[in-house]
Amino acid sequence: DQQVKQNSPSLSVQEGRISILNCDYTNSMFDYFLWYKKYPAEGPTFLISISSIKDKNEDGRFTVFLNKSAKHLSLHIVPSQPGDSAVYFCAADDTANTGNQFYFGTGTSLTVIP
Amino acid sequence: DVKVTQSSRYLVKRTGEKVFLECVQDMDHENMFWYRQDPGLGLRLIYFSYDVKMKEKGDIPEGYSVSREKKERFSLILESASTNQTSMYLCASRRGGSTYGYTFGSGTRLTVV
Repeated sequence: DQQVKQNSPSLSVQEGRISILNCDYTNSMFDYFLWYKKYPAEGPTFLISISSIKDKNEDGRFTVFLNKSAKHLSLHIVPSQPGDSAVYFCAADDTANTGNQFYFGTGTSLTVIP
Repeated sequence: DVKVTQSSRYLVKRTGEKVFLECVQDMDHENMFWYRQDPGLGLRLIYFSYDVKMKEKGDIPEGYSVSREKKERFSLILESASTNQTSMYLCASRRGGSTYGYTFGSGTRLTVV
């Protein structure tokens, strides 16, 4: 059973506009969330994270929002650039669980059109 | 620069071959993971290890085994490769008990013919 879901397999955005990528989760014990970015033929790289004690975290053009009551997080990229074109995975963790594994969504492929 | 190194970027193997995928990390991380990535299916956990000689099954362990004889090295073994194991394989490591994320290797694109 998929505990983390990204319901949009793909997204296209014009350069300079906002990209919004969404992620939903089912496990209320998840308390730490991350976004990874992946280019073809490369490993994923860490982008931004958020703990459940916050509802927003910013890093430059990237902002992650967390809505715990809705079990929903989103990644905003403003302004979007062609180099942002990649697959984005959200991941969630229950840090009290000693398993130390993240649960990943299925990914959203973002295309930023110049 | 800390890193996770996967021994091969691309591999082509024949059906029925025994395949070894090697992963080495230099960060002294306790936890190591093997995932495969397939279109539309995201990242699926095959096996993970939280200590030397320890291993735990992930979501899709069938057809795979692992070995962790040293803390820095985690090997994925395909006992008898099949065409449905053609995939991108990703190794990751993570410090134990932390809120840090994974560090991933560059991946191995395995094609079984």
